[in-house]
Amino acid sequence: EAQVTQNPRYLITVTGKKLTVTCSQNMNHEYMSWYRQDPGLGLRQIYYSMNVEVTDKGDVPEGYKVSRKEKRNFPLILESPSPNQTSLYFCASSSTAAAEAFFGQGTRLTVV
Amino acid sequence: ILNVEQSPQSLHVQEGDSTNFTCSFPSSNFYALHWYRWETAKSPEALFVMTLNGDEKKKGRISATLNTKEGYSYLYIKGSQPEDSATYLCASLSGGYNKLIFGAGTRLAVHP
Repeated sequence: EAQVTQNPRYLITVTGKKLTVTCSQNMNHEYMSWYRQDPGLGLRQIYYSMNVEVTDKGDVPEGYKVSRKEKRNFPLILESPSPNQTSLYFCASSSTAAAEAFFGQGTRLTVV
Repeated sequence: ILNVEQSPQSLHVQEGDSTNFTCSFPSSNFYALHWYRWETAKSPEALFVMTLNGDEKKKGRISATLNTKEGYSYLYIKGSQPEDSATYLCASLSGGYNKLIFGAGTRLAVHP
């Protein structure tokens, strides 16, 4: 089954404690991206990757890092989480930037 | 950031009503327009990807039109059913950019 898998689904952490949210896709897609969703706002892109070892900032990259060492995986790293990073996060993949995006299940992160 | 606007923000209709929402986007350098359906506690799922001015797409009772010259797209739902209740997101991709810009969505509630 074609899917994008994110883990964990829910996470409560404390300020400053490094965390990683994993994302994996099995569709051989080249394009992957991370979004955050906050009440009243649309999905805002954090980072995207056009292919292995090719990543670039989205609209809200501050406080986040990503890596793309393999085509299928695109982890999101918060080196020192802060309460303003409390949000719902989605990973997505597509064959190209313009093609339909397939979303993961979402990760609800709370930073206290 | 190129703004994508959706209206209305929310909509309540009775079962059987037909309804429509609007997505407006920057018309200059347009490349693609996406519509997604996002049910509560699930992931957004693609409805349509549209690229050509005058495009019309249909999936069951849901259809969409695209006007790239004036920068708007309409999503229509004919004979709304309670299972159509969801947030409908549109996203625009401009040429020269590698990222989708999402609107804040229209939240539809269909009452039996």
